[in-house]
Amino acid sequence: GAGVSQSPRYKVAKRGQDVALRCDPISGHVSLFWYQQALGQGPEFLTYFQNEAQLDKSGLPSDRFFAERPEGSVSTLKIQRTQQEDSAVYLCASSQLGRGRRDTQYFGPGTRLTVL
Amino acid sequence: SQQGEEDPQALSIQEGENATMNCSYKTSINNLQWYRQNSGRGLVHLILIRSNEREKHSGRLRVTLDTSKKSSSLLITASRAADTASYFCATGGGSNYKLTFGKGTLLTVNP
Repeated sequence: GAGVSQSPRYKVAKRGQDVALRCDPISGHVSLFWYQQALGQGPEFLTYFQNEAQLDKSGLPSDRFFAERPEGSVSTLKIQRTQQEDSAVYLCASSQLGRGRRDTQYFGPGTRLTVL
Repeated sequence: SQQGEEDPQALSIQEGENATMNCSYKTSINNLQWYRQNSGRGLVHLILIRSNEREKHSGRLRVTLDTSKKSSSLLITASRAADTASYFCATGGGSNYKLTFGKGTLLTVNP
C-alpha cells in the first residue's frame, strides 16, 4: 500500500481482556516502531524492530505488553489483561533504513484503544 | 518521558495570520523534527533541522533552532483553515532511531 496501515482503527475492550493491534508498514521498510499516545500528550516510544529483530523494548510499560514482527513485515502489538490506564492511541511507524541511518519515520493512523 | 515542551499549549488565529509555536528540549540533540497531527491524516512529518543549522524553510514553514538555548520555533505564514492541527516537536531519529515528542501545540485557524 501507499502508507502505513493499522487495524483495527478503534477497539473497545473490557478490563482484563487481551487485545491485538496490527500494523502493516510500508513495503520494504526495514525499521518499525510502536508508540503510545495518551490523550493530550505526545507519542511515547514503546518498541523498535529492525526487520524481524526486536532491538529495543525499553518503552513497553509492563510485561503485559508484547510485540512481534516474525517475518520482518507485519507487526502485532499484544496487550494482555488490559487495564484502564492502557487506554490510548497506539501508533505504528516505519522507516526505510535500519538503525543508525538518518531517515524519516512514516506513521500510520493509529488504533484508539478504550478499556472500560 | 517527554523530551520537549511546546509553547503555547493552544493557539487560535484567523486565516491569513502567521502562527508561531515554540519548543524547548532538555538534552543535546543531533536534529529536531516537527510533526503535524490531525484526525484526518494522522501524524505527518513536516521538517527536520540538524543541530548545525540555524534556520530552515519549506514552503510556508520556517523553523529555527538555537542549540545554546535548547529551543526551536515553527512559524507558519499565511495560515489556512487546513492548518488546524496539533503540532509536535521531536528529537531523535536517525542514529538515535526512536523519537521523543513534546506535548504539542493545538493550533486552530478560523476561517
